[in-house]
Amino acid sequence: GENVEQHPSTLSVQEGDSAVIKCTYSDSASNYFPWYKQELGKGPQLIIDIRSNVGEKKDQRIAVTLNKTAKHFSLHITETQPEDSAVYFCAANQGSQGNLIFGKGTKLSVKP
Amino acid sequence: GAVVSQHPSWVICKSGTSVKIECRSLDFQATTMFWYRQFPKQSLMLMATSNEGSKATYEQGVEKDKFLINHASLTLSTLTVTSAHPEDSSFYICSASGTRGPSQDTQYFGPGTRLTVL
Repeated sequence: GENVEQHPSTLSVQEGDSAVIKCTYSDSASNYFPWYKQELGKGPQLIIDIRSNVGEKKDQRIAVTLNKTAKHFSLHITETQPEDSAVYFCAANQGSQGNLIFGKGTKLSVKP
Repeated sequence: GAVVSQHPSWVICKSGTSVKIECRSLDFQATTMFWYRQFPKQSLMLMATSNEGSKATYEQGVEKDKFLINHASLTLSTLTVTSAHPEDSSFYICSASGTRGPSQDTQYFGPGTRLTVL
């Protein structure tokens, strides 16, 4: 089955700097890779996703890149703000029902 | 759009009692709903997947007689924790996928339910 690894587990940046979180997956059949942001005590919120037919997708300050050959995808947040502080999870799909396999999460802290 | 609600947001119960958690998709039809469990500072662990009108598919190690899942309509799924014990205390989160979003793979999550069993 699918295995998703995520790095780093914690990331601290200064406000205005960029943050990059990287994930690798094992199943070459996976073709959908969402990223979620989870604030303390809340459910995960979808922030961006990418399918395997594109290599990059951008939405304002957030971008995701996908390298199918190397089986890794990354989340890039530019001009970070304190409100970006949260735990970020990457995921990859597996199975016919669209089950998601999640990485272990990255706790991002943006210092003002 | 793509709003998923859960009720209750938190619940405290005595050991041995049963607790029902509701998950609703408010503005789309959820053909598939997922139930996750999350321990503090850990990732989401998929418990089961349910399609409307069908029996749920449970992940390995999840007791289907203890965690009863019903997906009776395209907007509602329920998780009942039967005979709850302190080790069942956790954050339970549902997600839904269906007619909203770019594909059926897109999962939208509810806000979660904090269960504490005394």
